Amino acid sequence: AQSVSQHNHHVILSEAASLELGCNYSYGGTVNLFWYVQYPGQHLQLLLKYFSGDPLVKGIKGFEAEFIKSKFSFNLRKPSVQWSDTAEYFCAVPSSGSARQLTFGSGTQLTVLP
Amino acid sequence: NAGVMQNPRHLVRRRGQEARLRCSPMKGHSHVYWYRQLPEEGLKFMVYLQKENIIDESGMPKERFSAEFPKEGPSILRIQQVVRGDSAAYFCASSPLPGQRGPDTQYFGPGTRLTVL
Repeated sequence: AQSVSQHNHHVILSEAASLELGCNYSYGGTVNLFWYVQYPGQHLQLLLKYFSGDPLVKGIKGFEAEFIKSKFSFNLRKPSVQWSDTAEYFCAVPSSGSARQLTFGSGTQLTVLP
Repeated sequence: NAGVMQNPRHLVRRRGQEARLRCSPMKGHSHVYWYRQLPEEGLKFMVYLQKENIIDESGMPKERFSAEFPKEGPSILRIQQVVRGDSAAYFCASSPLPGQRGPDTQYFGPGTRLTVL
C-alpha cells in the first residue's frame, strides 16, 4: 500500500518568506499525488495534483509542487507567503495503484505571522 | 453549483446514543468516500461507496459503524452506541466517474464535528 510522510509538523514563517513543505511517498508503481489545504474551520480544498507529464505542477493561489521521482518527493512551494496562507496542508496519494480512496499524510500546520 | 454538503455541521451525543451523519455529493458525482480526522492527526479513510453499493469498507471499525448510499437521498454514516473515542471530524468526499487519465479528484465537504460527552 502507498503511504506518504510529512516531516514538518508545524512551520512558522513571516509574511513574504518563501515556503517549502516536504512530502515523501512510498514507491508503488504509478504515482498520483495531491496537496490539499484546510483553512481554519473549513473543509479540505484541492491545491494541486500530479498525474503524469510535467513534474512541476502549478496550483491555485500561487502554489506549486515538484515531483522528483529519484527522491520519492512531492514538495509544496510558494515563493512569498501571505498571512491568509495560515492553514494545515496535507499531502495525499491513492492507497494503492487501483484504489480510489486516499491516504493522507499527518499534515503540516503553517502559521504566517503578519 | 453546490459543493459537497454535510449535515449536521456539529453533533453532540452522549455515550451509548446513535449518531447519523449525512452527505450529499456534488451534482453528477456517483462516488462517495468517508474519512475521519482525529485531533492532531490526518484524515483516515473509512469507506467508499457508489449508489446502493459498498465498494471498500476496509477502513471502517468492525463494530458499531455502518454506511449506506441509497438510490435516492444522501449517503449516511451511522455510529451506534457512541463512545468518547468516536469524537472526531468526519469528512465526506465525492468524485465523478473516473476519467481517462489518472484517478478521480475528490471534493470534500465541510465535515461533521462529532462530540461524545
